[in-house]
Amino acid sequence: EAQVTQNPRYLITVTGKKLTVTCSQNMNHEYMSWYRQDPGLGLRQIYYSMNVEVTDKGDVPEGYKVSRKEKRNFPLILESPSPNQTSLYFCASSFLRLAGSTDTQYFGPGTRLTVL
Amino acid sequence: ILNVEQSPQSLHVQEGDSTNFTCSFPSSNFYALHWYRWETAKSPEALFVMTLNGDEKKKGRISATLNTKEGYSYLYIKGSQPEDSATYLCAFKRQAAGNKLTFGGGTRVLVKP
Repeated sequence: EAQVTQNPRYLITVTGKKLTVTCSQNMNHEYMSWYRQDPGLGLRQIYYSMNVEVTDKGDVPEGYKVSRKEKRNFPLILESPSPNQTSLYFCASSFLRLAGSTDTQYFGPGTRLTVL
Repeated sequence: ILNVEQSPQSLHVQEGDSTNFTCSFPSSNFYALHWYRWETAKSPEALFVMTLNGDEKKKGRISATLNTKEGYSYLYIKGSQPEDSATYLCAFKRQAAGNKLTFGGGTRVLVKP
């Protein structure tokens, strides 16, 4: 089954304790992206990757890191989480079309993070 | 940062009634408009991708229209059912933006039996 998986689904942590949220897709997609969802603000892009070892900042990258060492995986790293990073996080993937794309993005189930 | 807005933020609909809501987006440099349906605790799922002015798409009781000249899209639900309860997200893609989508804040629909 084609899917995007994220782990963990729920996480409660404390300020400053490094954490990683994993994302994996089995559709051989080049493009992967992380979003955070906050009430009334929609999905805001944190980071994206166009292929292995190619990553770039989205609209709200502060406080986050990513890596893309393998095509299928795109982990999100919070080196020193703070309460304002409490949010619902989504990973998404799609094929890459450099000239523009109408490909839909496939989303993972979300990770609800609470930072105390 | 592009301005993509959805209204209303939420609405309650009686089962069997029809409803519609709006996504507004920049009318310049338009490439595509995506609609997603997001049920709580699930992944957002693609409903439509719309690219041409005047486009109309339909999937069951849900349909969407697109006006790129004035920068809006309507999503319609005909004869709402409780299973239509979800948040509906629109996402704008501009020209030369590759795969980047800019999302609106969503319209949360609750269908009451």
